[in-house]
Amino acid sequence: AQSVTQLDSQVPVFEEAPVELRCNYSSSVSVYLFWYVQYPNQGLQLLLKYLSGSTLVKGINGFEAEFNKSQTSFHLRKPSVHISDTAEYFCAVSELGSGTYKYIFGTGTRLKVLA
Amino acid sequence: DSGVTQTPKHLITATGQRVTLRCSPRSGDLSVYWYQQSLDQGLQFLIQYYNGEERAKGNILERFSAQQFPDLHSELNLSSLELGDSALYFCASSVVGGRAGETQYFGPGTRLLVL
Repeated sequence: AQSVTQLDSQVPVFEEAPVELRCNYSSSVSVYLFWYVQYPNQGLQLLLKYLSGSTLVKGINGFEAEFNKSQTSFHLRKPSVHISDTAEYFCAVSELGSGTYKYIFGTGTRLKVLA
Repeated sequence: DSGVTQTPKHLITATGQRVTLRCSPRSGDLSVYWYQQSLDQGLQFLIQYYNGEERAKGNILERFSAQQFPDLHSELNLSSLELGDSALYFCASSVVGGRAGETQYFGPGTRLLVL
């Protein structure tokens, strides 16, 4: 079975600084990767996803992620964060099992943007 | 706003009781997914329904059950509740469900507290 590892449980960063949230996955087959964001007291919202093609994926709110097959990583980046980016970020992989695709989520990274 | 609605927003109940959580998918979406989010387990996939039929099962306890009705709304029934069932329960929907790379749209969640 596939798995997703988000090594950083919390990442504090100052406003307007760049940030990278790390995500590694394990898989022996083709993967489909996602980043979701969860703002306080809200549901999850899709930031971006990688299905195929260009390894650099651009998402909403200025976020981007790079798929690296050799390192089995899908790190999320933003060149300049805002206070409003404070949220929890989840990496997910779409796994084929029992004839259907299911999401496997990482444990999440809590991004805290400091003024 | 994802278009997925969940009721109630909050639920407080006692151990041993039974509760029903309700989810209405986005207009046109045929698949509904249920997830449990807790501090110790993270975001866990419970079950998926497609057009009224169970499509996939995850880490769902036998005390839990779900169904999807002809109007495509879904209900998650939790019975013989235990303290450890306290969590945030999310519903998500997708157009078809089970396709590689398909985006899931999440509702705001129901926060369940078992006392």
